[in-house]
Amino acid sequence: DTEVTQTPKHLVMGMTNKKSLKCEQHMGHRAMYWYKQKAKKPPELMFVYSYEKLSINESVPSRFSPECPNSSLLNLHLHALQPEDSALYLCASSLSGRRGTEAFFGQGTRLTVV
Amino acid sequence: AQTVTQSQPEMSVQEAETVTLSCTYDTSESNYYLFWYKQPPSRQMILVIRQEAYKQQNATENRFSVNFQKAAKSFSLKISDSQLGDTAMYFCAFMKHDGSEKLVFGKGTKLTVNP
Repeated sequence: DTEVTQTPKHLVMGMTNKKSLKCEQHMGHRAMYWYKQKAKKPPELMFVYSYEKLSINESVPSRFSPECPNSSLLNLHLHALQPEDSALYLCASSLSGRRGTEAFFGQGTRLTVV
Repeated sequence: AQTVTQSQPEMSVQEAETVTLSCTYDTSESNYYLFWYKQPPSRQMILVIRQEAYKQQNATENRFSVNFQKAAKSFSLKISDSQLGDTAMYFCAFMKHDGSEKLVFGKGTKLTVNP
């Protein structure tokens, strides 16, 4: 199993809503990532979890709240988002970034904030 | 800070021909990793090829090969015998060797393979 599974694939939410994005992998990877990708732009790193601990937060606004309940799961909790937060949110995992190993990406969640 | 530059926003190639995508980067690090990722319309980023900076030998993966010039800080991707399924956005990416686990991407090159 070399898959990173993200749910939902599409999400439309209002600015007052609370929603969560989910990411799951069963490859035994210990590093998991959230990236944000705007149309026709490269992915931008948001958060990195290493061994279930938050290791990097790229100064992301607090309306985005990551959670890593266990080594296979990664959530991104969303609250009071703005229309400019509409984007493709990509989850990725890797065996361990310390050795420059390959990151496996999910298909992303297309988020629209209305 | 590291930067990655892809100077070709769009390229096209005929099926079965060869195409080269350019990538340059700027870093003061001596050891690092370089990657080419492909993102087809299905949205999923897929690793094409990986290079370790301390290895002088250029990486190859079937029809994909790189020309890694460390002194020039250049990392181009050559696709041989182009196939329709190669149509995608291609991103060059850099990662430091310090365990930061952070991929820095270039802006991408949109490659279209024409029949």
